[in-house]
Amino acid sequence: EVQLVESGGALVQPGGSLRLSCAASGFTFRNYWMSWVRQAPGKGLEWVANINQDGSAIHYVDSVKGRFTISRDNAKNSVFLQMNSLRAEDTAVYFCARLYGDVTIFDFWGQGTLVTVSS
Amino acid sequence: DIQLTQSPPFLSASVGDRVTITCRASQDISNFLAWYQQKPGKAPKLLIYTASTLQSGVPSRFSGSGSGTEFTLTVASLQPEDFATYYCQHRHSYPVTFGQGTRLDI
Repeated sequence: EVQLVESGGALVQPGGSLRLSCAASGFTFRNYWMSWVRQAPGKGLEWVANINQDGSAIHYVDSVKGRFTISRDNAKNSVFLQMNSLRAEDTAVYFCARLYGDVTIFDFWGQGTLVTVSS
Repeated sequence: DIQLTQSPPFLSASVGDRVTITCRASQDISNFLAWYQQKPGKAPKLLIYTASTLQSGVPSRFSGSGSGTEFTLTVASLQPEDFATYYCQHRHSYPVTFGQGTRLDI
């Protein structure tokens, strides 16, 4: 059974940093692109970042470029999101998702972890 | 960026009804469109990809159609578990974007 379990969400002050983790199981992690998608409270879904199988191809939404870094550790079946210079508008539930093949179709999702940016 | 506009934003229906949700793209995205279902407090679930391909395990009462700039998600006969919010999403180019959602209520 495919499982994605996020962790690391917390309350952080504006300008602060946070690192999210997503532990994957139930599939051959190193064969898949992975992604982070977020959802602000009461709002819709927003794609944040993608990373390919070996980390050599990475894409970000413009609003997080230069502040967020996606990475992965295939030995630990994990994907990460390092978030720096956090803003109030980054407040959201952050979902880790697996991509279907090499295209951005999110076929499995974690349960999400809440990041709150507030003073 | 490609914008996706869903209509209607809210939809009230009854068990057994046939409902259709529309997603319009701001430019031609071929058939690079997926649909997701999200229930409160839960992660989204993939229903349909490539406009009309049903994801494994999704009931056949769900169907998708369209290409280019106009797409539809149809639920043939609503079941109680289908009341949720539905999102479309394109993968034509980066950044991938989602529609704003359609909330389907009883």
